[in-house]
Amino acid sequence: DADVTQTPRNRITKTGKRIMLECSQTKGHDRMYWYRQDPGLGLQLIYYSFDVKDINKGEISDGYSVSRQAQAKFSLSLESAIPNQTALYFCATSDFRVDEQFFGPGTRLTVL
Amino acid sequence: SQQGEEDPQALSIQEGENATMNCSYKTSINNLQWYRQNSGRGLVHLILIRSNEREKHSGRLRVTLDTSKKSSSLLITASRAADTASYFCATDAGGGGNKLTFGTGTQLKVEL
Repeated sequence: DADVTQTPRNRITKTGKRIMLECSQTKGHDRMYWYRQDPGLGLQLIYYSFDVKDINKGEISDGYSVSRQAQAKFSLSLESAIPNQTALYFCATSDFRVDEQFFGPGTRLTVL
Repeated sequence: SQQGEEDPQALSIQEGENATMNCSYKTSINNLQWYRQNSGRGLVHLILIRSNEREKHSGRLRVTLDTSKKSSSLLITASRAADTASYFCATDAGGGGNKLTFGTGTQLKVEL
């Protein structure tokens, strides 16, 4: 969905580095999500946020943190990257009135 | 942890044939959704079926839901090469927030 953007699209980093992935949306949605996808698997929820003041852990939050800077922006940080965090990361949004989620194009992260 | 398991993991058919994918899940749900993912890209919402519905149609898509068996199927009729993608089921267990738990996906290849 072009209304959900992620930066960077690709990133290679080294073990131990701190890295931030950013997500912005112009859909006006209140809810935002971060997922990771490992090869051959479905998506796993890392964190989700219902609004700027409400942030919740998902299934696999260890090693990650998030910041909801504004309704339209939701950032994911890896405080000290490790190789098994190499994955595709997706941001998604939804609105309380509908149940479907709208996904960004993804960030391919490689941790060496 | 994955809520859903999808079957088959991979499916190869000829253009014009029908494709059927199945999803099984573990817990009670509020709704079940199907998403498509083209290689390495973000997911796109296809169709949603609520727990009190048994069948739903959208264009060439037909979804069924059997809550007693905790299973769903997605049928794509008259498949086209452009339908080549991975298909994921995702369950919303309710409780607010549109939190989704994704299955492991079915890779569909439609050959000319």
